[in-house]
Amino acid sequence: DGGITQSPKYLFRKEGQNVTLSCEQNLNHDAMYWYRQDPGQGLRLIYYSQIVNDFQKGDIAEGYSVSREKKESFPLTVTSAQKNPTAFYLCASSIVRGSGNQPQHFGDGTRLSIL
Amino acid sequence: GNSVTQMEGPVTLSEEAFLTINCTYTATGYPSLFWYVQYPGEGLQLLLKATKADDKGSNKGFEATYRKETTSFHLEKGSVQVSDSAVYFCALSGATNKLIFGTGTLLAVQP
Repeated sequence: DGGITQSPKYLFRKEGQNVTLSCEQNLNHDAMYWYRQDPGQGLRLIYYSQIVNDFQKGDIAEGYSVSREKKESFPLTVTSAQKNPTAFYLCASSIVRGSGNQPQHFGDGTRLSIL
Repeated sequence: GNSVTQMEGPVTLSEEAFLTINCTYTATGYPSLFWYVQYPGEGLQLLLKATKADDKGSNKGFEATYRKETTSFHLEKGSVQVSDSAVYFCALSGATNKLIFGTGTLLAVQP
């Protein structure tokens, strides 16, 4: 079955430590996205990529970094510069068409907590 | 800029009650509109979508009509079930394919 796989499901970070969240898709989608979800705030876009080896900052990119070396993979690193990293992180992918009417498909998320 | 406003929850209903979750938007151009559903501990699933004015999206008994004159995309279901309990997100997408989400509405259906 095609889909998006995020791992791990739960992740704990110590102060000052970088952690990397994995996102893999086998839907052959060109675009991939990372969102952060906090209670009562909906989803906020961190980074997105519409093609391999290219990505753009979203609304809350500070303290995060990404890479897009393969079409299937879009890992997110939460760096020590992100002062409030505790959140639920969601990865998504979509077809890219100019009309913007393509839905995004989501993984099951990674819950990151600070020890 | 583009934005989505949806009614705050929680919305608590008895089984078989009628559901409406209000969603209004602000956007330039002609966005596509979506409703997503999130069950506890999971990611978001697409529930329905509409891509132009007067389109009606429907799925699993849920419906929403794209109303350009009132900039609205309200979600409705005639008879809710306990299994419909979840968080519902309204979202819009412009030409860049980026989604703008509302803050979500928690629906709790009691037997």
